[in-house]
Amino acid sequence: EVQLVESGGGLVQPGRSMKLSCAASGFTFNNYDMAWVCQAPKKGLEWVATISYDGSSTYYRDSVKGRFTISRDNAKSTLYLQMDSLRSEDTATYYCARRLRRVFDYWGQGVMVTVSS
Amino acid sequence: DVQMTQSPSYLAASPGESVSISCKASKSINTYLAWYQEKPGKTNKLLIYSGSTLQSGTPSRFSGSGSGTDFTLTIRSLEPEDFAVYYCQQHNEYPLTFGSGTKLEIK
Repeated sequence: EVQLVESGGGLVQPGRSMKLSCAASGFTFNNYDMAWVCQAPKKGLEWVATISYDGSSTYYRDSVKGRFTISRDNAKSTLYLQMDSLRSEDTATYYCARRLRRVFDYWGQGVMVTVSS
Repeated sequence: DVQMTQSPSYLAASPGESVSISCKASKSINTYLAWYQEKPGKTNKLLIYSGSTLQSGTPSRFSGSGSGTDFTLTIRSLEPEDFAVYYCQQHNEYPLTFGSGTKLEIK
């Protein structure tokens, strides 16, 4: 059974950093591109970033370019999202997702990130 | 960015009825449109991609249609487990973008 379990969320002050992790199991992690998708409170879903199966390629939405870094450790079957210079508008639930043809066939339960002083 | 507009945002129906949800793109996305189901306490579920291709495990009462800018998700003969929030997503180009969601509730 495919499982994606996010961790690392919580309350953080504006301008500070936070690193999210996503532990994957139930599939061959290094065969799949992975992504982060977020959902701000009472808002819709927003794609954040994607990383290729081997980590060689990354893609970001414009609003996080230069602030967020997606990475992966295939030996640990873990996906990461390093979030720097956090802003209040980054407050959201962040989902880890497995990518299939630019869609997302498996999702985690999500982890909440609140950026507030 | 491609803007995705879903309608209606709220829909009430009874089990056994059929419903349709619309998703319109701000420019042509060919047939690259996906539909997801969101339910409390469960992870999001991919239902359909490439406009009309059912993801493995999606019941046949779900169908997707459309191309270009106009797409429709149809659910025939609603089952109790179908009452959820549905999102569309274009997968034609980056940034990948989603609709704002349609909440399907029991009448």
